[in-house]
Amino acid sequence: NAGVMQNPRHLVRRRGQEARLRCSPMKGHSHVYWYRQLPEEGLKFMVYLQKENIIDESGMPKERFSAEFPKEGPSILRIQQVVRGDSAAYFCASSLRLDRGYGYTFGSGTRLTVV
Amino acid sequence: QQPVQSPQAVILREGEDAVINCSSSKALYSVHWYRQKHGEAPVFLMILLKGGEQKGHEKISASFNEKKQQSSLYLTASQLSYSGTYFCGFHYGGSQGNLIFGKGTKLSVKP
Repeated sequence: NAGVMQNPRHLVRRRGQEARLRCSPMKGHSHVYWYRQLPEEGLKFMVYLQKENIIDESGMPKERFSAEFPKEGPSILRIQQVVRGDSAAYFCASSLRLDRGYGYTFGSGTRLTVV
Repeated sequence: QQPVQSPQAVILREGEDAVINCSSSKALYSVHWYRQKHGEAPVFLMILLKGGEQKGHEKISASFNEKKQQSSLYLTASQLSYSGTYFCGFHYGGSQGNLIFGKGTKLSVKP
């Protein structure tokens, strides 16, 4: 079992460019979550998706950020027109149903640096 | 609602014990505990479901007091490998399908 696969591990973008972060969940997991982590800080929830559906995007900034989890392929977190404040580690996690007592498996994260 | 997690940081000598606490102001469905080492992904430790229970994992165990909506993580006879940041994650159930994490407790175990 390959676990949760995130790529790229490191991403450098200039201000104004677009960043695309990919996440392939564990085999059999249909729930995907994205979190952002700033240095020395906790994990901030961004969005929760199931296949082809956004379940909860209450943690997503209203502008420039979007997420999808298509029927085929990985989940994508897209940040348009990046700014320096977007620099952070972005973690994806997948799970079976939390209400059945399952926990998260995290990917290794994407470290985004905006220059 | 973000869990209130304490302490923020702990420094231990090998073999010493530590307790990390998390509390909620509203009813919880389950509590999850994770450990993150510097530059790495968080790693799952254990889940405690409502109903009040205690679980163990080697020398790391946890409790969940449903009446008080509090959970504690116990690290006994700490080892160097226990160093890292520990996060509690709260699942409130119902329409909320994701975990809300506390700010973390940085644990440093010295030889």
